[in-house]
Amino acid sequence: DSGVTQTPKHLITATGQRVTLRCSPRSGDLSVYWYQQSLDQGLQFLIQYYNGEERAKGNILERFSAQQFPDLHSELNLSSLELGDSALYFCASSAYSNSEVETQYFGPGTRLLVL
Amino acid sequence: AQSVAQPEDQVNVAEGNPLTVKCTYSVSGNPYLFWYVQYPNRGLQFLLKYITGDNLVKGSYGFEAEFNKSQTSFHLKKPSALVSDSALYFCAVRPSWGKLQFGAGTQVVVTP
Repeated sequence: DSGVTQTPKHLITATGQRVTLRCSPRSGDLSVYWYQQSLDQGLQFLIQYYNGEERAKGNILERFSAQQFPDLHSELNLSSLELGDSALYFCASSAYSNSEVETQYFGPGTRLLVL
Repeated sequence: AQSVAQPEDQVNVAEGNPLTVKCTYSVSGNPYLFWYVQYPNRGLQFLLKYITGDNLVKGSYGFEAEFNKSQTSFHLKKPSALVSDSALYFCAVRPSWGKLQFGAGTQVVVTP
């Protein structure tokens, strides 16, 4: 168990809908990262937050947004969902932000299925 | 551009035999390299990382990895594979703030 929790574990929804994925980092970690894992794209970095502020952005669609709250949990919002958004969404956390050597610890993921 | 490549989609090995999962990298500057493992329906678990120093890095579950600068490789190894090592293995590089850049993954199948 990495100490990173994600809810829900599974999510089934319809095209055009909006969903929110939640992540709680390990105790004491200030950085939260979101990744998307799909069969065709592999593991892709979406976005990073550090202590409530956006720190780095990757291949995140404009329909997607995220935020990190004062208690350091994070939410990833996916809107106007398309079939191609079906994927496994991982959250990871690390202690800080600006160290390349830090280890990121991953949660169990949320499996999203868009029908 | 920073990248990692895992040239094998799948590696098959018999239980008790040595296991090697290959990874090559392309980075500018110092390479910070990681290995993660993903079991079915589970998240990624950290195995080990190379930052600097000794080229042989020891990690969890009996795994180790050898950093080779001249060959730009960071192969994962285990002297004696177990059936329970069957999983998806990812090599990753962290070239800058934030993101880990992952390889495509290598499926390891260990047969009894």
